Amino acid sequence: DAGITQSPRHKVTETGTPVTLRCHQTENHRYMYWYRQDPGHGLRLIHYSYGVKDTDKGEVSDGYSVSRSKTEDFLLTLESATSSQTSVYFCAISDVRANVLTFGAGSRLTVL
Amino acid sequence: TQLLEQSPQFLSIQEGENLTVYCNSSSVFSSLQWYRQEPGEGPVLLVTVVTGGEVKKLKRLTFQFGDARKDSSLHITAAQPGDTGLYLCAGERGYTNAGKSTFGDGTTLTVKP
Repeated sequence: DAGITQSPRHKVTETGTPVTLRCHQTENHRYMYWYRQDPGHGLRLIHYSYGVKDTDKGEVSDGYSVSRSKTEDFLLTLESATSSQTSVYFCAISDVRANVLTFGAGSRLTVL
Repeated sequence: TQLLEQSPQFLSIQEGENLTVYCNSSSVFSSLQWYRQEPGEGPVLLVTVVTGGEVKKLKRLTFQFGDARKDSSLHITAAQPGDTGLYLCAGERGYTNAGKSTFGDGTTLTVKP
């Protein structure tokens, strides 16, 4: 299995609190992505990174920010969590500009 | 607006039956992937197709990319309970979107013994 670790795997938080999800890879892949998965919406791209300190917005980026200070770590932050951000979040990596993604196991976030 | 439409959304069949899942779009894709996802896990890549009309086989699974690169299908022959899962298609639209995949909503397949 590709070395992708997401943490935490499960989190319950309250509306208005900040939340940070971490994605750590040991594959030295340049490209990293954050997706959210919701029933009826499939996987939707939140933010992505093409390298250290090189990030950009995906289709559902409102309310989220990301940081990538090292090749191996890609952080997703919800500055003030809302109930609409209750979801399963997946980190993915790819080498070069490939469209072939390797996914982590997911982080299930519940915002009460 | 969903860029990739998958059908059917749910499929429940008996072991040994054949099935086809469709992934359709009005947009042209430079490549298209099929993933399979099991509960509590991330999607796992099954195949990538890049050439219009391309057919790829993976044991009992046959994948086809439409001639116009707007649609794809996944056919499973003699389905087994181990095939149960969520099947997702994903596509990439050209160089400017390289590395950014758009996903369909998925087809949930249940194969009963």
